[in-house]
Amino acid sequence: QKEVEQDPGPLSVPEGAIVSLNCTYSNSAFQYFMWYRQYSRKGPELLMYTYSSGNKEDGRFTAQVDKSSKYISLFIRDSQPSDSATYLCAMSFTGGGNKLTFGTGTQLKVEL
Amino acid sequence: GAVVSQHPSWVICKSGTSVKIECRSLDFQATTMFWYRQFPKQSLMLMATSNEGSKATYEQGVEKDKFLINHASLTLSTLTVTSAHPEDSSFYICSASFPRLEKLFFGSGTQLSVL
Repeated sequence: QKEVEQDPGPLSVPEGAIVSLNCTYSNSAFQYFMWYRQYSRKGPELLMYTYSSGNKEDGRFTAQVDKSSKYISLFIRDSQPSDSATYLCAMSFTGGGNKLTFGTGTQLKVEL
Repeated sequence: GAVVSQHPSWVICKSGTSVKIECRSLDFQATTMFWYRQFPKQSLMLMATSNEGSKATYEQGVEKDKFLINHASLTLSTLTVTSAHPEDSSFYICSASFPRLEKLFFGSGTQLSVL
């Protein structure tokens, strides 16, 4: 069993839709949770960084962490074609600036 | 603008040659840098952790003699793929740790193709 599980997709949605991306993990020692966006053949870009269980909102993005269920989510509201990318969840034992364990990434396509 | 610069973006080489990839932190001093590789439609796999002035720490299964890492200054880490073979073809990405912000900044990646 992988430490971090993420549905690889691809996920295709119409413009304006709400997108839900999810990851589950098996190691309860993970304390820090991140979502990265990666365009094709580019390095990942940090979107959201959370520590505690609950919700964190930033613009059209909401990150949700449920440590009791070992489940994290990223919601994208009013999705745009420019949101088309691969979304990677990542987690760490000791902070966002340290060794990260990534999910496989979910490929998202937002269509006009 | 980018805070981590990685180059080259693309490299094609013959089997048996060595390839060096550079990773520079532009606006801050990075005591720790990480090197990842990524195969198509797969996740980033950590190869090694590079600390300035000391030997890199390699993940299990990564050959340290094949993937040489040098972190000679606080702003530069290099990864050298020695005697590259076609199975080493992959997307290599570096990242630098910004401790005060609790963040990693990633380079733009290097696509290595070994013929």
